[in-house]
Amino acid sequence: IAGITQAPTSQILAAGRRMTLRCTQDMRHNAMYWYRQDLGLGLRLIHYSNTAGTTGKGEVPDGYSVSRANTDDFPLTLASAVPSQTSVYFCASRKDIQGYGYTFGSGTRLTVV
Amino acid sequence: GQNIDQPTEMTATEGAIVQINCTYQTSGFNGLFWYQQHAGEAPTFLSYNVLDGLEEKGRFSSFLSRSKGYSYLLLKELQMKDSASYLCAVRDGTGAGSYQLTFGKGTKLSVIP
Repeated sequence: IAGITQAPTSQILAAGRRMTLRCTQDMRHNAMYWYRQDLGLGLRLIHYSNTAGTTGKGEVPDGYSVSRANTDDFPLTLASAVPSQTSVYFCASRKDIQGYGYTFGSGTRLTVV
Repeated sequence: GQNIDQPTEMTATEGAIVQINCTYQTSGFNGLFWYQQHAGEAPTFLSYNVLDGLEEKGRFSSFLSRSKGYSYLLLKELQMKDSASYLCAVRDGTGAGSYQLTFGKGTKLSVIP
């Protein structure tokens, strides 16, 4: 089934640990995005990639890094997790057609303790 | 930057009509999207407006006025399954790297019998 797969579904992580959230899509979409969603703050863009080999910073990039080695994969890494990074993380991709909305993954619920 | 405002919560009765408003301020408007998000799930695309006017899609319609920086989502014949958060999102800019969406904080709609 075409779509976006995120892993893990949920994770409890000790502060200071390194963590990579995985995101894979099989729709051959060029653009991919990482958002975090927090109660009262909505969805906020962390990083994006318009095409394989390129990445850019969003609204809240500090503490996170991304890579885009190929079209399908867009992992998000927390180098040294802090409690303020407790959130639900959504990966999304977009087809290169005007007006085409994002397709979102099912999300990763991360708790940093 | 962008500023997107929508009501935090709304309640409506099954079978009724509800209008969810969204106002935005942006330096370079290039499209407005509405998403539906059920609790614990990923957002799903509902509608897209880039020109002024009404777009209808079954029970859901979305309206845009670019001069007023205003949109609304109209839900008719409300069903219990319409209880969800509705997210307004604006795309700012027309350059090749400007397809990121900025989301409002969402409106939580509760449909009551």
